[in-house]
Amino acid sequence: EPEVTQTPSHQVTQMGQEVILRCVPISNHLYFYWYRQILGQKVEFLVSFYNNEISEKSEIFDDQFSVERPDGSNFTLKIRSTKLEDSAMYFCASSGPGAGGLETQYFGPGTRLLVL
Amino acid sequence: SQELEQSPQSLIVQEGKNLTINCTSSKTLYGLYWYKQKYGEGLIFLMMLQKGGEEKSHEKISAKLDEKKQQSSLHITASQPSHAGIYLCGAVYNDMRFGAGTRLTVKP
Repeated sequence: EPEVTQTPSHQVTQMGQEVILRCVPISNHLYFYWYRQILGQKVEFLVSFYNNEISEKSEIFDDQFSVERPDGSNFTLKIRSTKLEDSAMYFCASSGPGAGGLETQYFGPGTRLLVL
Repeated sequence: SQELEQSPQSLIVQEGKNLTINCTSSKTLYGLYWYKQKYGEGLIFLMMLQKGGEEKSHEKISAKLDEKKQQSSLHITASQPSHAGIYLCGAVYNDMRFGAGTRLTVKP
């Protein structure tokens, strides 16, 4: 069964460093998402991406974050200058190919990011 | 205020017992998702409900949507230790929002 994959599973970085989290969505999906979950807290929406551009973003998704679909399979989240409070589990999800909004989102296993 | 309120926050049941988890939205619901998350892991899709009154089931897990009350309930029949985890409801407003989750423990 097709699934969303994410790499790396764990990442430890120093504050101020840049990190890139990678996701391979399900191959025929057209909508892509990033979420984060700070330990013990809710899953929070960061950004959605469709047709090579951001369609929605939350207030969390500030200028230090960016997303890219560099090729036909990968979807990346870059954090430019990590802060301690960026430590969280980051989930990628994908949905489609039907109309956006109510298609089921399938989640990857997550990347646990720890900023020291 | 929270857009999606889940109750209870945690639940401990004896194996074999039935249980219900509720999710209430403060906004109009156009679709409601249920996911299961094992601690520290990803979200596993359980089911999606779109129409008022819709009820779906998969094995021993069922869910229904009350559009008027903007509520959904997830019901597990004859719970097993494998049902343990965190159950999250999610709803799409402009983007997907999740409830805080219900932590389920099933005692053998």
